[in-house]
Amino acid sequence: DAKTTQPPSMDCAEGRAANLPCNHSTISGNEYVYWYRQIHSQGPQYIIHGLKNNETNEMASLIITEDRKSSTLILPHATLRDTAVYYCIHTGTASKLTFGTGTRLQVTL
Amino acid sequence: SQTIHQWPATLVQPVGSPLSLECTVEGTSNPNLYWYRQAAGRGLQLLFYSVGIGQISSEVPQNLSASRPQDRQFILSSKKLLLSDSGFYLCAWGGDSHYGYTFGSGTRLTVV
Repeated sequence: DAKTTQPPSMDCAEGRAANLPCNHSTISGNEYVYWYRQIHSQGPQYIIHGLKNNETNEMASLIITEDRKSSTLILPHATLRDTAVYYCIHTGTASKLTFGTGTRLQVTL
Repeated sequence: SQTIHQWPATLVQPVGSPLSLECTVEGTSNPNLYWYRQAAGRGLQLLFYSVGIGQISSEVPQNLSASRPQDRQFILSSKKLLLSDSGFYLCAWGGDSHYGYTFGSGTRLTVV
């Protein structure tokens, strides 16, 4: 799996939208973009994934640029419980996942 | 529904002792299985992955080994633990579905 680039940390006020960027310029045509988060001392939790269309579920929205070289995860109304490390990964279906260092999101009052 | 079980939750072992961590998956067949390690304050490092019984791929040379004796069982082992083996060990499965990869709750191993 090729490398993704994410900012090491971000802050967000509770109730505001958290927008987490990710660059994946080496993504290939059949690879999906996955987002996970890891709350301290727990296993990573799946958030959302997409191929080329924007996606939304109960947790978040995923915006993928038209050239697919970058994406943004949006938490529409961040809460304190969203404080975690967020990982962006691109990989083929059922392939191994290689995690980068992620973005540490701190949600504050 | 699919579930993944990993145990024990915490483990303290002396240097030089053996290790066996077990991971089992329910509700799916022929899953891809993975072992990850996370050292304190670090990212997740893929150690081993398996696409079927007896098929193990190692990602990094180390003091550990993995085995898959049954379709839904994945075991991480060591004959002699080192201090550097301390960390948070996570098992994960991902089948041929697109819908994410599921992680176990992890084992926190401290080698003393």
